[in-house]
Amino acid sequence: AQSVAQPEDQVNVAEGNPLTVKCTYSVSGNPYLFWYVQYPNRGLQFLLKYITGDNLVKGSYGFEAEFNKSQTSFHLKKPSALVSDSALYFCAVRANTGGFKTIFGAGTRLFVKA
Amino acid sequence: EAQVTQNPRYLITVTGKKLTVTCSQNMNHEYMSWYRQDPGLGLRQIYYSMNVEVTDKGDVPEGYKVSRKEKRNFPLILESPSPNQTSLYFCASSEDWGLNTEAFFGQGTRLTVV
Repeated sequence: AQSVAQPEDQVNVAEGNPLTVKCTYSVSGNPYLFWYVQYPNRGLQFLLKYITGDNLVKGSYGFEAEFNKSQTSFHLKKPSALVSDSALYFCAVRANTGGFKTIFGAGTRLFVKA
Repeated sequence: EAQVTQNPRYLITVTGKKLTVTCSQNMNHEYMSWYRQDPGLGLRQIYYSMNVEVTDKGDVPEGYKVSRKEKRNFPLILESPSPNQTSLYFCASSEDWGLNTEAFFGQGTRLTVV
C-alpha cells in the first residue's frame, strides 16, 4: 500500500534562513511525487513535482525539492525563507501500482518569523 | 480564467438530509476527484473519475456518491449525511489521468452536519 509521511507537524524558521519540509514515501512501484501549498481559506496550489531522472526539482516561488531514492524521501527546500511562505504544505504520491489514487501526507505548517 | 468552482463554500445541514456539493472545471480536464481534509489526517481521496461515466472509489468512499455525466461537472452527493462527515471538502481536476499530472483545486466547501 502507498503511504506518505510528513514527520513534522510544524516547522519554524526565521526570515532569510533556509527551510526544509520533510517528506518520506512508501510505494511498491515507481513513485510520482508532488508538493502542494495551502494558504488560509484557499484550495491547494501545485508547487512542483518529481520527474524521473531529475533528483533536484525546481518549482514555483523559489522552492525546490530533492528526491532521494535510497532514503525514499522528497524534501521541500528553499534557500531563503520569506514571511509570505507561511502556509500549510502537503506532500503527495501516486504510483503505477496504486491505480489512479493520490495519497497525501498529513501536512506540515510552516511559520516564517520576521 | 482557468478554475475549479465548488458550491456552496459553506453549508450547515442536519443529519439525514440529502445534499449535493457541485464542482465544475473550465479547463477540459479528463481527471477529477473529491477529497476531504481533516486536521492531522491531511487530504483523503473520496472518489475520482478518469473521464465521463468512469468513476472509482478512493480511500474513504463510504457515505458518498458521485456522478460524471459531463466532462466539466463532478458533483458529490451525500444521501444521508452524518456528523462524522463534517469536514472541509475539495474538488480537484487534472488534465489527464497520467500519474505525473498535477491537480488544480477548488476553494473548498466547509460542511457541518449537526
